[in-house]
Amino acid sequence: SQTIHQWPATLVQPVGSPLSLECTVEGTSNPNLYWYRQAAGRGLQLLFYSVGIGQISSEVPQNLSASRPQDRQFILSSKKLLLSDSGFYLCAWRHRTGGNGGYTFGSGTRLTVV
Amino acid sequence: DAKTTQPPSMDCAEGRAANLPCNHSTISGNEYVYWYRQIHSQGPQYIIHGLKNNETNEMASLIITEDRKSSTLILPHATLRDTAVYYCIVKAQGGSEKLVFGKGMKLTVNP
Repeated sequence: SQTIHQWPATLVQPVGSPLSLECTVEGTSNPNLYWYRQAAGRGLQLLFYSVGIGQISSEVPQNLSASRPQDRQFILSSKKLLLSDSGFYLCAWRHRTGGNGGYTFGSGTRLTVV
Repeated sequence: DAKTTQPPSMDCAEGRAANLPCNHSTISGNEYVYWYRQIHSQGPQYIIHGLKNNETNEMASLIITEDRKSSTLILPHATLRDTAVYYCIVKAQGGSEKLVFGKGMKLTVNP
């Protein structure tokens, strides 16, 4: 069966510090991968998605970047965090062929920038 | 992708059926209706999806009207663990990669 892992679960970082959040998927090949963010009291916003190694699409201009160094690994990064980067970050995957299936989300990372 | 409209909140008694409505009057012929839920501080969980026929799985049933302009998610025997924000989303197969979440509807199951 397929599983998705995100870590860490919680993170407190000072303003100006770097960020690296990692997401890995097991049990499938060639998944589409996604990073979402949910600010406090707000909806989920798609940040980045990837349909293959090294292929990154950005949905919202911001202080963050994403990379996909391996087929089942998706990394969210920042060189210098801002207070506004605080939020709940979620990684998700779905089959590349799309089909009719849904998206599977990880358990999320709660980031607090102080 | 078409937009959806859901009431902001709903209460349900434990053990009773919860019927969660969703309007999607501008849905296109190739757009599916998806339902997700998000329990507090967790990632969204896929529940069910459908195109035009009613669907049922181990979690819920999805009833889509004949004109496809609205749908209802049915939790047949709601439990306290079903308390969550429920999202109704319409999305075309093979369309944009965006799965657009609206504000959803907060379902509170009361003992």
